[in-house]
Amino acid sequence: KNEVEQSPQNLTAQEGEFITINCSYSVGISALHWLQQHPGGGIVSLFMLSSGKKKHGRLIATINIQEKHSSLHITASHPRDSAVYICAVRPRNTGNQFYFGTGTSLTVIP
Amino acid sequence: DAMVIQNPRYQVTQFGKPVTLSCSQTLNHNVMYWYQQKSSQAPKLLFHYYDKDFNNEADTPDNFQSRRPNTSFCFLDIRSPGLGDTAMYLCATSRGGIGTEAFFGQGTRLTVV
Repeated sequence: KNEVEQSPQNLTAQEGEFITINCSYSVGISALHWLQQHPGGGIVSLFMLSSGKKKHGRLIATINIQEKHSSLHITASHPRDSAVYICAVRPRNTGNQFYFGTGTSLTVIP
Repeated sequence: DAMVIQNPRYQVTQFGKPVTLSCSQTLNHNVMYWYQQKSSQAPKLLFHYYDKDFNNEADTPDNFQSRRPNTSFCFLDIRSPGLGDTAMYLCATSRGGIGTEAFFGQGTRLTVV
């Protein structure tokens, strides 16, 4: 069983739609990362969260530590948002390990 | 400016021919990681360095080795690549310690033919 589960696995949206990607994890964590990976490209770190909510442009990330759940929201989605979004957690007390979800593949259609 | 740089971006190598991938960082971070990511899968940690301390994952094949000659550079050596080693290889860094942010390179896409 994967320590980090994401949903949905695949998501297609029309340009302008509000998008939510969910991440649930089963271990105690010290931080959670949302990462973006474009086709054929490397990974860009979008957010690091340990509590509450962060906003950057059209992207919003929230985390509920008690429920072991995080969401990534994209407002007014655009075709350039098409990418794989990966949730990664740093477990507490396991040194420098990260556990990754398998990613959500987002396609935004013009 | 890119802070974690991987070279090359794309590499094609023959079955069994040794290959080296490189990663450099300008962040002076303590920890450097190498991940393998196969198509449609989550990245899988191969090993990481905390300063000079090498930490190998239990299921990382012996075929994969790493070197970190100084803080800035880390290399992934694949001694005898197999077809199953075709993947994206990602380097990441972090300062280390609880809750620190990770920074990723652009990755090297390795194809073994």
